[in-house]
Amino acid sequence: DTEVTQTPKHLVMGMTNKKSLKCEQHMGHRAMYWYKQKAKKPPELMFVYSYEKLSINESVPSRFSPECPNSSLLNLHLHALQPEDSALYLCASSQAPDYEQYFGPGTRLTVT
Amino acid sequence: GENVEQHPSTLSVQEGDSAVIKCTYSDSASNYFPWYKQELGKRPQLIIDIRSNVGEKKDQRIAVTLNKTAKHFSLHITETQPEDSAVYFCAASSPGTYKYIFGTGTRLKVLA
Repeated sequence: DTEVTQTPKHLVMGMTNKKSLKCEQHMGHRAMYWYKQKAKKPPELMFVYSYEKLSINESVPSRFSPECPNSSLLNLHLHALQPEDSALYLCASSQAPDYEQYFGPGTRLTVT
Repeated sequence: GENVEQHPSTLSVQEGDSAVIKCTYSDSASNYFPWYKQELGKRPQLIIDIRSNVGEKKDQRIAVTLNKTAKHFSLHITETQPEDSAVYFCAASSPGTYKYIFGTGTRLKVLA
């Protein structure tokens, strides 16, 4: 299995809602990533988990809360988001640092 | 901080012609350079990558060249086809780091 999967594909949420994005990979990769991508821009790194421990937090607001329950799963918990948080949220995984990252299809998030 | 400049931002070519996209990186320690293709509404997909101990790599119609002295790397697509139309992102990564520094992207249009 060489795929990273993400659910849901689309999500619309109000500013007071709490929701979660899910990501899964079965490639045995030990690093997993969350990215945010705005239209016509490159992916912007948010968090990196390495061996299930948070390795990088790119000064992301606390309304985004990552979680890595095990080596195959990555969640992003969302709470009290702002309309400017609307974007494509991409998950990725890699076997090691400075190796190829495999991206999931993304969750298109709209905050109303 | 580290950055990667990518040019051009848009590129239109006739079907069958070649396309070249160029990137310049700032961190001389960078050792891994992936190229991603992102079609509209889809995930970024790795199309080719190169490490700093190699000057050139080719995969069918796609090639990447690296000039470490000048800190340049380029993507070459020959015999372009309409399905090559997409946004292409270059990136650079340094040893032991999980973080990619992405270029700003090139929108390639192949005109039939």
